[in-house]
Amino acid sequence: AQTVTQSQPEMSVQEAETVTLSCTYDTSENNYYLFWYKQPPSRQMILVIRQEAYKQQNATENRFSVNFQKAAKSFSLKISDSQLGDTAMYFCAFVDHNNNDMRFGAGTRLTVKP
Amino acid sequence: DTGVSQDPRHKITKRGQNVTFRCDPISEHNRLYWYRQTLGQGPEFLTYFQNEAQLEKSRLLSDRFSAERPKGSFSTLEIQRTEQGDSAMYLCASSGQTYEQYFGPGTRLTVT
Repeated sequence: AQTVTQSQPEMSVQEAETVTLSCTYDTSENNYYLFWYKQPPSRQMILVIRQEAYKQQNATENRFSVNFQKAAKSFSLKISDSQLGDTAMYFCAFVDHNNNDMRFGAGTRLTVKP
Repeated sequence: DTGVSQDPRHKITKRGQNVTFRCDPISEHNRLYWYRQTLGQGPEFLTYFQNEAQLEKSRLLSDRFSAERPKGSFSTLEIQRTEQGDSAMYLCASSGQTYEQYFGPGTRLTVT
């Protein structure tokens, strides 16, 4: 079974600092996709960044970047220059090439402090 | 494009009543997903459609749950004889040619 684990239930960071959220996953598949989603309080889930497993280059989207370690099945999210608006639950997610169902971790609650 | 929309946003019902939720996906997306999210947890997969065909259902989807997607457009999720354990946020997502899924705002169900 494919599982996603986020070992940090809560994290905090000072505004303008950098923070890294951890995620590990378990799968026997070789072709899959990984995502980080952001869910602000009482608001809908927003896609932050995606990574294709067949790509060795780590994905980046502005202040957001990932460290994808396929052999270690690790997929961490780095947020640079943290902003107050980054305060949210962050979910790591996995889907295989069949795209039938997305598996989510339990989430990390990130608080950016002024 | 207005994104994925869901209706209603909130629903309070008494135990034993039936409820129906609607999801309108992004117009060009052929895949539509339903998830359930309880407080403090990540979404859990319920079912998914490719066009009008329901291709997979989770074991979480008991006989009291049914989903449809007539004509491959909007979808409905019905829960019959609701139980207090059904209280949760029900999320809909859609995807097109790529693998990312785009989520709607959800329907929060409270069963009293």
